[in-house]
Order: sequence, then C-alpha cells, then structure tokens
Amino acid sequence: IAGITQAPTSQILAAGRRMTLRCTQDMRHNAMYWYRQDLGLGLRLIHYSNTAGTTGKGEVPDGYSVSRANTDDFPLTLASAVPSQTSVYFCASSEAGTSAYNEQFFGPGTRLTVL
Amino acid sequence: GQNIDQPTEMTATEGAIVQINCTYQTSGFNGLFWYQQHAGEAPTFLSYNVLDGLEEKGRFSSFLSRSKGYSYLLLKELQMKDSASYLCAVVDSNYQLIWGAGTKLIIKP
Repeated sequence: IAGITQAPTSQILAAGRRMTLRCTQDMRHNAMYWYRQDLGLGLRLIHYSNTAGTTGKGEVPDGYSVSRANTDDFPLTLASAVPSQTSVYFCASSEAGTSAYNEQFFGPGTRLTVL
Repeated sequence: GQNIDQPTEMTATEGAIVQINCTYQTSGFNGLFWYQQHAGEAPTFLSYNVLDGLEEKGRFSSFLSRSKGYSYLLLKELQMKDSASYLCAVVDSNYQLIWGAGTKLIIKP
C-alpha cells in the first residue's frame, strides 16, 4: 500500500456503543491527525500526534481518545457514541507537525452514523 | 478567535476563469494551503503560500497578501473535472491547520 488507509469505510452504530476507527500510514510520517468534517463546517481537528508516543488535543476532543504506540498507526476511539458524533472522519499525516510547511495527506475517510 | 472565510458556493462556465477568495484572522501565520476535495473523497493538496505574491502551477495559481489577511485561488481554462470544493487552511502559531468551510465550485457546460 502507499499512503493512508482507514477502516471501516462506513459504519452505523447504536448510541452508547464503543467504536474504534483505524488509521494506518506507510509513509513514515512523524505527525498524524484526526479530523471530523460536517456539512457547512470546516475540517475540525479532534486529536493529533507529532511523534510516536505523544498525543495532543485539538479543537473538538471531547468524547474521543487516541493512542500512538508506533509510527504507522493512529486509532481513534469513541468510548460511548452519541448522535452528535455522526460525521465523516478523516485521518491525515504529515512529515513534521512542528513545521510551517505542514502538507497533510489524507486517508479516504470513514462515514459514521450514530443512531 | 480564529476565523477563515470563504464563499459557500460559486458557479462558473467551462473554459472560463474563476477566483475563489479566502480571508483569515488567526493567532499567528505560518503559511496558507489550498486543497481540492471532490464529493465523497479526501482533500488533496493544491498549493502553499508563505510569502506575499502569486504562485503559479499550471492552470491553478494562488495569491497571498499577509498584510490584508487575504488569499485567492485562480483557476483558468475550467474543466468539468474542476467541479469540487476548494478548502483554504492557515497554519497558525502552533503549526496546526485552521480550515475554512470550503467553497463548492459548480462548473456548467
């Protein structure tokens, strides 16, 4: 593979259930990100990681958690899903998260519906 | 607060030229990106500006004025495949990207 993969492609989830969205990159990028994209709003950063072993909170972190055990993987977990978490989730990566030239490469997205 | 403004939607004709504007107010500035996003797909990189002026790349050009907090993306010789959303994003003082809501560009034959 080349680039970023996300799984699942789409998911319908009952409210209150736990869900993990998976993200894997093979570009050996140091930084990884999780965004949500909602109609009429820009991409909003949920959590990020500038290097393996470290994570940080973005603009909308509540209800989500992440881990970065290695360079390639950056899973996003919803501990107890709520309908307001219905969205399209994009994982992205960049060579360095602490650089002005922070070109981010995006995965194909996960469309999540919480009922 | 941080704010990125773009028009919600624009319509243009195949073969014509269109300019998509972006104004920003952010905590610090370390550059501005333009991305293209086709419906149902991921955003893809188009351009990056950090100094004032025009950057040309084929049919697409991007302009930046840091003093005015303003950028535009210029698309020439429009093709039907250019129908997409165009996202403006500013790199803030923490090197995070702050994204505009995007401009949906509709191309008519």
